[in-house]
Amino acid sequence: GAVVSQHPSRVICKSGTSVKIECRSLDFQATTMFWYRQFPKQSLMLMATSNEGSKATYEQGVEKDKFLINHASLTLSTLTVTSAHPEDSSFYICSGTSQGVGYTFGSGTRLTVV
Amino acid sequence: GDSVTQMEGPVTLSEEAFLTINCTYTATGYPSLFWYVQYPGEGLQLLLKATKADDKGSNKGFEATYRKETTSFHLEKGSVQVSDSAVYFCALIEEKLVFGKGTKLTVNP
Repeated sequence: GAVVSQHPSRVICKSGTSVKIECRSLDFQATTMFWYRQFPKQSLMLMATSNEGSKATYEQGVEKDKFLINHASLTLSTLTVTSAHPEDSSFYICSGTSQGVGYTFGSGTRLTVV
Repeated sequence: GDSVTQMEGPVTLSEEAFLTINCTYTATGYPSLFWYVQYPGEGLQLLLKATKADDKGSNKGFEATYRKETTSFHLEKGSVQVSDSAVYFCALIEEKLVFGKGTKLTVNP
């Protein structure tokens, strides 16, 4: 079945640095990629939706200049957390979809900013 | 807006016990309802779904029935196994996929 590979699974970075998270669709072409974040004991919250070749659409309250999303190809989407701060520590997860393919989730990335 | 409320965990059961994880939702229209499961170290996987009232989704011994009158979609399994240990997410979709907070299930041998 459809698989989305997400890396890294865990990352620890210093405050003020940037971190890139990659999601690759391995056996399908993800025309749309969704990015979620989950704080402890909270729901997965949609951050943004990106369509291949287009600018991402961000949900209300999500800073587009802080969370840079690139979806330049049908098999790769990246989320870059710029100038990370401890409050950005969270679980980030991507989901790819395409015509006839349901939501296929990556395994998630646990980001800790120290 | 749309929302999903599911019972808070963690839930710890012995093998072969009966499982219920409650889920209720709020939506403006007639959403499709889902249960996702996340095994340790893996991504979310669709466990089962129901697209209209009174539909029953089932998979791997798990069941959930779309109850419009009570806006519920409770997950049940008659006899859990150690391999069922995971985090379970209830979700709905109208315009976008909305998740509950997740319920961690641990099944002990």
